[in-house]
Amino acid sequence: EVQLVESGGGLVQPGGSLKLSCAASEFTFTSYWMRWVRQAPGKGLEWVAVINPDGSEKYYVDSVKGRFTISRDNAKNSLYLQMNSLRAEDSAVYYCVRCYNYYMDVWGTGTTVTVSS
Amino acid sequence: QSVLTQPPSVSGAPGQRVTISCTGSSSNIGAGYDVHWYRQFPGTAPKLLIYVSSNRPSGVPDRISGSKSGTSASLAISGLQAEDEADYYCQSFDSSLSGSVFGGGTKLTVL
Repeated sequence: EVQLVESGGGLVQPGGSLKLSCAASEFTFTSYWMRWVRQAPGKGLEWVAVINPDGSEKYYVDSVKGRFTISRDNAKNSLYLQMNSLRAEDSAVYYCVRCYNYYMDVWGTGTTVTVSS
Repeated sequence: QSVLTQPPSVSGAPGQRVTISCTGSSSNIGAGYDVHWYRQFPGTAPKLLIYVSSNRPSGVPDRISGSKSGTSASLAISGLQAEDEADYYCQSFDSSLSGSVFGGGTKLTVL
């Protein structure tokens, strides 16, 4: 079964850092763009960052540019999100998502990030 | 304020048909970009429901359908069932923002 499993979430103080990981299985990871999408408590969906199959192209939503870095390790079938200078408004469930032709066909179960003092 | 506009809530009785609208603009849906729909049950991850405006992934019943016209798209659910109660999101691509955009989401309540 195609699966995405996130890890690395937790409680962090404002200004702190956190690195999320996503382990992919049962599909050819190197063939897909991958994305992080977040959902703040009680709010809608917001894409955060996206990366192409070989990691040479990366795009970010304006609110995280310069603070977040998306990366991937194709040898390990893994996707990452390094989050620095975290703010309260970054608190959300972060989903690892597989992309296909501009839509998101497989979603992980999510990992929760809470930014609070 | 989401780039794609959805009604915050819709409701219907079991067996009825409901539609959820997704209104965009000339830089996204109106520019010809495809619309996709996702369903999210409370406490779980979203799941792809309709892709490329009207296609259903395997396992999605044919009482769920999607359409697109002009700068808008719609999701229709007929033969409403209690299990349809969830949040629904539309998504497209926006050329002005050079990225994917979501609607604000619609909560479907089965009366």
